[in-house]
Amino acid sequence: KNEVEQSPQNLTAQEGEFITINCSYSVGISALHWLQQHPGGGIVSLFMLSSGKKKHGRLIATINIQEKHSSLHITASHPRDSAVYICAVLYGGSQGNLIFGKGTKLSVKP
Amino acid sequence: ETGVTQTPRHLVMGMTNKKSLKCEQHLGHNAMYWYKQSAKKPLELMFVYNFKEQTENNSVPSRFSPECPNSSHLFLHLHTLQPEDSALYLCASSQTSGSHEQYFGPGTRLTVT
Repeated sequence: KNEVEQSPQNLTAQEGEFITINCSYSVGISALHWLQQHPGGGIVSLFMLSSGKKKHGRLIATINIQEKHSSLHITASHPRDSAVYICAVLYGGSQGNLIFGKGTKLSVKP
Repeated sequence: ETGVTQTPRHLVMGMTNKKSLKCEQHLGHNAMYWYKQSAKKPLELMFVYNFKEQTENNSVPSRFSPECPNSSHLFLHLHTLQPEDSALYLCASSQTSGSHEQYFGPGTRLTVT
């Protein structure tokens, strides 16, 4: 069983819809990352958070440390948001390493 | 552009070949990472270098040999690979290892024939 579970694995939405991607983890962590991977492979870091909520443009990330759960929300989705969204948790303290989820493939249709 | 470049972007090699992947970061970071991404599997950490010293080898077979000559450059030397080593190899860097945001390169798509 992977220590980082994402749901759903695949998600198709219509342009303009509100999207939620979930991440659950089983280990004690010091931080959680949300990453975006476009076709072709390049990965961009969207958020790194250890508590509460962060917002950047149409993206919002939340984390509940007690429940070991994080969500990534996309408001007013657009076809250019189509990508794989990856959750990764940092374990092992400040010098620890990342464990990755398998990713959620999002396709936004015009 | 994330400030991390990788060459080549695509590589096809036979099982008896020797090749090297190169990663360079222009961010002034002190930690660099190699990751492997196979189809339908999560990203797997391979190696971590912090201030040019290897701090993590995640049980990687010896046919993969990393080299970090300075904080800006990281190599992955490949020899006698197997077809199951075909994957996307991603390099990343961060300020130091651990709790800092990582910046990823575009990856090298490796096919072993």
